[in-house]
Amino acid sequence: SQQGEEDPQALSIQEGENATMNCSYKTSINNLQWYRQNSGRGLVHLILIRSNEREKHSGRLRVTLDTSKKSSSLLITASRAADTASYFCATGSMNRDDKIIFGKGTRLHILP
Amino acid sequence: EAGVAQSPRYKIIEKRQSVAFWCNPISGHATLYWYQQILGQGPKLLIQFQNNGVVDDSQLPKDRFSAERLKGVDSTLKIQPAKLEDSAVYLCASSSWDRAYEQYFGPGTRLTVT
Repeated sequence: SQQGEEDPQALSIQEGENATMNCSYKTSINNLQWYRQNSGRGLVHLILIRSNEREKHSGRLRVTLDTSKKSSSLLITASRAADTASYFCATGSMNRDDKIIFGKGTRLHILP
Repeated sequence: EAGVAQSPRYKIIEKRQSVAFWCNPISGHATLYWYQQILGQGPKLLIQFQNNGVVDDSQLPKDRFSAERLKGVDSTLKIQPAKLEDSAVYLCASSSWDRAYEQYFGPGTRLTVT
């Protein structure tokens, strides 16, 4: 079963704009991760945020987590053509750090 | 460091045939995962190994899927016999014992069953 659900399913923005994707989940989690998948580099781990954290940054990425609303958001600032990809959130179990469940993903397309 | 290696990259077979996929994880990674990713969906865990032992195979269709990691390094995933609904990308991932939450994925094998 898939725990996280990303929103929107697809997003197209102009290069240079910011892109925001959201993830909602149903049960309590230990951590939440975001992955990127494109045809060139496969599935790549972007960032992890633990349940006791509210915000994390990594380069042009900003992730927030609201455990009361069971939701997370991924913000990509100053988007580039290379950011075109599918983005997945993956939730980590309370009991097992190594088991993650992926959502269906958001397909992001950066327009030139 | 070398990444997770998988082969073949693509495979086309007819239904009821058998197929095998191979994965070599990152050196030193004790945990190995096989995922199935159907078009338009996120990866779904099929089986997880810790060294050469199975940790979780609750979502593996055991009537037709099998996997092994005999020496605790590389692994094979087999489907026999294949069905049309097995068409998907099969991803292998690995992680180290001290950063178990961070999984490194291989390029995947795209299987088409006709």
